[in-house]
Amino acid sequence: NAGVTQTPKFRILKIGQSMTLQCTQDMNHNYMYWYRQDPGMGLKLIYYSVGAGITDKGEVPNGYNVSRSTTEDFPLRLELAAPSQTSVYFCASSYEGQGTRYEKLFFGSGTQLSVL
Amino acid sequence: GQNIDQPTEMTATEGAIVQINCTYQTSGFNGLFWYQQHAGEAPTFLSYNVLDGLEEKGRFSSLLSRSKGYSYLLLKELQMKDSASYLCAVRDSNYQLIWGAGTKLIIKP
Repeated sequence: NAGVTQTPKFRILKIGQSMTLQCTQDMNHNYMYWYRQDPGMGLKLIYYSVGAGITDKGEVPNGYNVSRSTTEDFPLRLELAAPSQTSVYFCASSYEGQGTRYEKLFFGSGTQLSVL
Repeated sequence: GQNIDQPTEMTATEGAIVQINCTYQTSGFNGLFWYQQHAGEAPTFLSYNVLDGLEEKGRFSSLLSRSKGYSYLLLKELQMKDSASYLCAVRDSNYQLIWGAGTKLIIKP
């Protein structure tokens, strides 16, 4: 089982460029998330999805977009990159449904993004 | 606003016991999680508490007191590999996870 696979691991962007962070999971999880992690701060939720075709904004969605066309994939799009988007990005997934007492997040290995 | 407080950094000795505290103020409560994150890696799940009391899993235990808005993670028989950040997260009334900034634990031989 690969779990949650996230690419790329590192990326440097120039201000105004765009890019897509890829995330795929093979655990048939219905929930998927994108977080950013900045030094000295807790994880911040950017967007999440409760199933294919359904996405919703998290705490810090500005400057990002997502789509969820399949259960497995949840790419994050950065349009017009800004220095404030320099961060470590984590994709995560979980299963929520009848019989589950709590959701345990499974994280991808992260993407270190620098916008210069 | 919603807030999770944890110490920024702690130091302990190999073989000893350490307690990492977490206090929270959230709009509602639907469970508290602890995750471990080694430097440069992804967080991994450690424990979950939703009722008051102690949850034990090997060398790690987590306690919850909902009336005090408090939890701790207890690590026994510390090993060098326990050097990591420990993240406390609370699920609020909207079932959204609110994360603390994490406690960096340094283990010395």
